[in-house]
Amino acid sequence: RKEVEQDPGPFNVPEGATVAFNCTYSNSASQSFFWYRQDCRKEPKLLMSVYSSGNEDGRFTAQLNRASQYISLLIRDSKLSDSATYLCVVNSAKNTDKLIFGTGTRLQVFP
Amino acid sequence: GAGVSQSPSNKVTEKGKDVELRCDPISGHTALYWYRQSLGQGLEFLIYFQGNSAPDKSGLPSDRFSAERTGGSVSTLTIQRTQQEDSAVYLCASSALAGGVLQFFGPGTRLTVL
Repeated sequence: RKEVEQDPGPFNVPEGATVAFNCTYSNSASQSFFWYRQDCRKEPKLLMSVYSSGNEDGRFTAQLNRASQYISLLIRDSKLSDSATYLCVVNSAKNTDKLIFGTGTRLQVFP
Repeated sequence: GAGVSQSPSNKVTEKGKDVELRCDPISGHTALYWYRQSLGQGLEFLIYFQGNSAPDKSGLPSDRFSAERTGGSVSTLTIQRTQQEDSAVYLCASSALAGGVLQFFGPGTRLTVL
């Protein structure tokens, strides 16, 4: 089983739609969780950290469910510019400075 | 500089040659990471430097891969006797914090081994 698993998509949604991605992680001892965004042929960029209490940044909401070991990202009012691959990232329980990246979920927002 | 820089941006080499990839982290960042990303794949951790501590080399795929970080700043990733399966984008990231947080990535070096 992969340490971090994501549905690769693609998720094709119209502008203005709400879309949600889930990600599961295998090691219950992991402590830090993030969502990164990666545009085609570009480097990943940090979108947001994921806190136990859940957190929101504008149209983006991230949630963590430790009991079920999954993380979610909700995007409201999708924009064309949200089209990208969203990477779920978890820190390694063996080495907390090491991040484990999922293979990403591709989102395509169409007009 | 304002961000992490990497050079070269593209490298095409022949199988069996050695290559060196360079990373200039954000000034003052003590943590530096190397990853690689093959086509359609996720990021694969290679090596991690934190301050003056011994690097975490647990992700290096073979002894043909090595990396060093001079003076706590610039890092060089060396691949000896390159193979076609080494073709990938090699990404460097740096962070001012421990715990893997707030990593800023460079634009990557796209390596193609013919």
